[in-house]
Formats: sequence, C-alpha cells, structure tokens
Amino acid sequence: NAGVMQNPRHLVRRRGQEARLRCSPMKGHSHVYWYRQLPEEGLKFMVYLQKENIIDESGMPKERFSAEFPKEGPSILRIQQVVRGDSAAYFCASSPGNGMNTEAFFGQGTRLTVV
Amino acid sequence: RKEVEQDPGPFNVPEGATVAFNCTYSNSASQSFFWYRQDCRKEPKLLMSVYSSGNEDGRFTAQLNRASQYISLLIRDSKLSDSATYLCKTGRRALTFGSGTRLQVQP
Repeated sequence: NAGVMQNPRHLVRRRGQEARLRCSPMKGHSHVYWYRQLPEEGLKFMVYLQKENIIDESGMPKERFSAEFPKEGPSILRIQQVVRGDSAAYFCASSPGNGMNTEAFFGQGTRLTVV
Repeated sequence: RKEVEQDPGPFNVPEGATVAFNCTYSNSASQSFFWYRQDCRKEPKLLMSVYSSGNEDGRFTAQLNRASQYISLLIRDSKLSDSATYLCKTGRRALTFGSGTRLQVQP
C-alpha cells in the first residue's frame, strides 16, 4: 500500500512563473490537507479538501494560491506568479476521515525554490 | 491565543536523560490528540496517540490532562536518535498542529 505521494520532490521556479504541486493520497483516503513550512518554522495549515470540495481554505493566501482535488487524479496546489517568499517545503497529508479523530499520513513534501 | 501552543525549545539534554514536553490547547471540546515526530527536512510521522488513560510505548509516555488542557510527552533514557522536532496535533479543526518542540540529545 503506497503512502502519500508528492511530486515533484524539488521544484525550482523563476519569479513570476507558476508552480504546480501534486499530491496523491493513500489508497482509501478521501481527505487531503496542504501545509507550508518555512525554514526553522512549524507547519502552517493552508487548505483542507475532499474530492471535488474545498472544506477549509482559511490558511490559504488570498491571491495567487489555489487548490483542487478532482474526482479523478491527484490534488493540486497551484501557485501563480511565484515570489521568493513562496520558497518553502509544501507537505500534503491524507486521512480516511476528517482528521479530527484519525491520524493523518504525510507525503515527503515538495521543496519549492524561487530564484 | 493560538489553538495549540508548544515551547519551541530547543531542549538540549545528555544521552540517558529524561525529558518532557507539554502542548496546551485552547478548545476544551478537542477530542483527539496525537504526537508526531519530524526530522530535519523530512515529513512529520506519527509517534503516538494520546488517550484519556495515557499511552506508553517503550521509552515514550503520552498523557492527557483535560482539566488543565494540555498533553505531555515523556521520553526516558534519551538516545541520540531521538533528536528531532516533536509536534502535537489536536483541536476540533482538522489537523491543527503545534509549531513543534525541538529536542537535541547530546553525547
């Protein structure tokens, strides 16, 4: 049973380009969460999705960031017109339920570097 | 007030020491509690769940104090390999994590 798969593992983008981060949850998991982690800082919640629905996006920046979890395929975190401050590790986690009473499993993360 | 708060540390302890971390939560309706471990530049991994009756796994003991609204993690006989950041997860909102407590075990 494959774990949570994130790709790419490392992504380099120039300022102004778009970054697309993908997350395939564990088999049987229908809940996906995205987190951002800056160097030497903790995990910051960004968005919580179920298939075809955004449940909680209270941690998402108002501009340039969007997320989706389509009926088929992986969840996508999209960052438009990247800036140097977007450089961080982006982790995806999945759970079978809504995460409050179940443990969640993390992918290995995508490390975004904006140059 | 943050929903979940942890002392960021670092806690620097010698090998063999006993060390404890606390994690306070603000929402009294929180129902689930977990400790995760995160190694440098890696993803967080579940360390253990925290039950009302407490939970022990080898050198690790987790406890819940509902009256004072905190959970604790006790590590006995610290090993060099225990050096990591320890995150608590709780809260009513999905996957609310503390910022983590950094532990450095020294030879």
